[in-house]
Amino acid sequence: GNSVTQMEGPVTLSEEAFLTINCTYTATGYPSLFWYVQYPGEGLQLLLKATKADDKGSNKGFEATYRKETTSFHLEKGSVQVSDSAVYFCALSLYGGATNKLIFGTGTLLAVQP
Amino acid sequence: DGGITQSPKYLFRKEGQNVTLSCEQNLNHDAMYWYRQDPGQGLRLIYYSQIVNDFQKGDIAEGYSVSREKKESFPLTVTSAQKNPTAFYLCASSIEVGSGGLRDTQYFGPGTRLTVL
Repeated sequence: GNSVTQMEGPVTLSEEAFLTINCTYTATGYPSLFWYVQYPGEGLQLLLKATKADDKGSNKGFEATYRKETTSFHLEKGSVQVSDSAVYFCALSLYGGATNKLIFGTGTLLAVQP
Repeated sequence: DGGITQSPKYLFRKEGQNVTLSCEQNLNHDAMYWYRQDPGQGLRLIYYSQIVNDFQKGDIAEGYSVSREKKESFPLTVTSAQKNPTAFYLCASSIEVGSGGLRDTQYFGPGTRLTVL
């Protein structure tokens, strides 16, 4: 079946540290891949996306590259800030059928300390 | 400002009661979705609608019902048949479904936290 696996959290970093959150997927077709961010008590915000192999999504200093050969979409940021503390969800969507429902990973909590 | 609104932010319900969660969007999107989020888990799809007067069950539709009488509105009713309704409910919308790329990207509302007492 189709699924997304994320590294378990929490991930605790000091301000200005380098961030990597691993995400791998299993899909029967050619999915689009997404990272969403959820701040405490809020809904999800789209952070970045990639629709085909080798695409790089980027936004607010975050980036992720769609790697078909390793079925991965790892999220990276060179220098995290306290304001980046949130839960990050990796997700995939398969097109061409009756729905483009998102299949989510379980989320990774990031805590950035000053 | 264009966006998705959900109300109320917090909702309390007694066991055995039905309750309706509101979702409104002014993005002119054709497709709308309802997801459920439980602590420490990803989101799961309850229902989705590709167009007005049409909707389809998602992965966990039992105990829920929806309607889509207007393009901008997609209310979700949590019925007494839902065995474990306490959760965070998120509504989303996209321009359309099935074309791939930018037009399928889903945008989320702020959510409603439902607690059954």
